[in-house]
Amino acid sequence: AQTVTQSQPEMSVQEAETVTLSCTYDTSESNYYLFWYKQPPSRQMILVIRQEAYKQQNATENRFSVNFQKAAKSFSLKISDSQLGDTAMYFCAFMKGRDDKIIFGKGTRLHILP
Amino acid sequence: DTGVSQDPRHKITKRGQNVTFRCDPISEHNRLYWYRQTLGQGPEFLTYFQNEAQLEKSRLLSDRFSAERPKGSFSTLEIQRTEQGDSAMYLCASRATATENTEAFFGQGTRLTVV
Repeated sequence: AQTVTQSQPEMSVQEAETVTLSCTYDTSESNYYLFWYKQPPSRQMILVIRQEAYKQQNATENRFSVNFQKAAKSFSLKISDSQLGDTAMYFCAFMKGRDDKIIFGKGTRLHILP
Repeated sequence: DTGVSQDPRHKITKRGQNVTFRCDPISEHNRLYWYRQTLGQGPEFLTYFQNEAQLEKSRLLSDRFSAERPKGSFSTLEIQRTEQGDSAMYLCASRATATENTEAFFGQGTRLTVV
């Protein structure tokens, strides 16, 4: 069974700093999808960024980028120039195939400090 | 398109009562997921549907839980004989599998408190 591990329960950084959230996963599949979802306090979960395992190039979405290390089964999220609105729970997630279920990690609570 | 809608947003029930939650996915989204999330934890998979077909149900899910999606549009999640351990946020998500877009869209959830 696939598992997703986030080893940082909570992190705090100053506004405008760069922060990296870690995620590792376990799978025997060769093709799969990885995601980072953001859940702001009392608000619904939204997708931040996604990565297809067959793509070697790391995904980037504005201030958000990933470091995808397929051999190490690592998928970290980097947030550059952090903003107060980035304060949220961040979940790393895995999907075996396009038609499969999504498995989530336990999350990292990120605080951006003014 | 108003996004994924869940009803009710909050539910307080006495132990032993049955509860039913509703999820209205984004129209034309054929895939619908149910998750349970407890405080400070990640969403735990419960079950998912492709149109009206239930594809998988978590082995961790008690027989007291049942879900259906009768016409391939909205879905209901029922919990029978609720227990205090059922207290959690129940999340619904939907996506369209016919496209290359793998993004799942989540509702705001139904928070269940069993007293």
